[in-house]
Amino acid sequence: EVQMWESGGGLGQPGGPLRLSCAASGYTFSQHAINWVRQAPGKGLEWVSLISDNGDATYYADSVRGRFIISRDNSKGTVSLQMNSLRVEDTAVYYCVRSNFVDYWGQGTLVTVSS
Amino acid sequence: DAVMTQSPLSLPVTLGQSASISCRSSQSLVHSDGNTYLIWLQQRPGQSPRRLIYKVSNRDSGVPDRFSGSGSGTDFTLKITRVEAEDVGVYYCMQATEWPRTFGQGTKVEI
Repeated sequence: EVQMWESGGGLGQPGGPLRLSCAASGYTFSQHAINWVRQAPGKGLEWVSLISDNGDATYYADSVRGRFIISRDNSKGTVSLQMNSLRVEDTAVYYCVRSNFVDYWGQGTLVTVSS
Repeated sequence: DAVMTQSPLSLPVTLGQSASISCRSSQSLVHSDGNTYLIWLQQRPGQSPRRLIYKVSNRDSGVPDRFSGSGSGTDFTLKITRVEAEDVGVYYCMQATEWPRTFGQGTKVEI
């Protein structure tokens, strides 16, 4: 059974950093791309970023490009989302999602940006 | 960006009846490889989203055959026949043809 899980959420300061991590089980980690998708409280889904299976290609939403960095370490089976220059509007549940076609979702981790 | 527009945004349904959700894209979702990467997701209250349909009409494993997807190009539909209580939630379409990936606003299905 494929499972995805996120860690690293919490309270971040405006302008500050926060780092999220994603891990998975039930499949060969290095064979699938990983997305981050977020959902602000009471709102819809917003795609944030994707990293290819080997890490060679990365993509970002305009709203986070230049502030967020996605990376992966296939030897450790993890994907990270380094979030810098946080804004209040980055407050959301962040989901780690497998593949280009979003087939498996984690439970999400809440990021709150507030002073 | 491909803007995804869903309608209606709220859908009251009667148990046992059918329901349809429309999703329209601002541009064709036909990829250069010939596939159309239109996805439907279900988010039940308090849960993470779950994929129901991929490439317009392919049901994921474990998804009841009451759910069906159709459409082409820019116009797509999710149909739920014989609605059950467990179908309550928000349904999203998403395109995975173009960058950035984009979602519809969501359609809230309630009994």
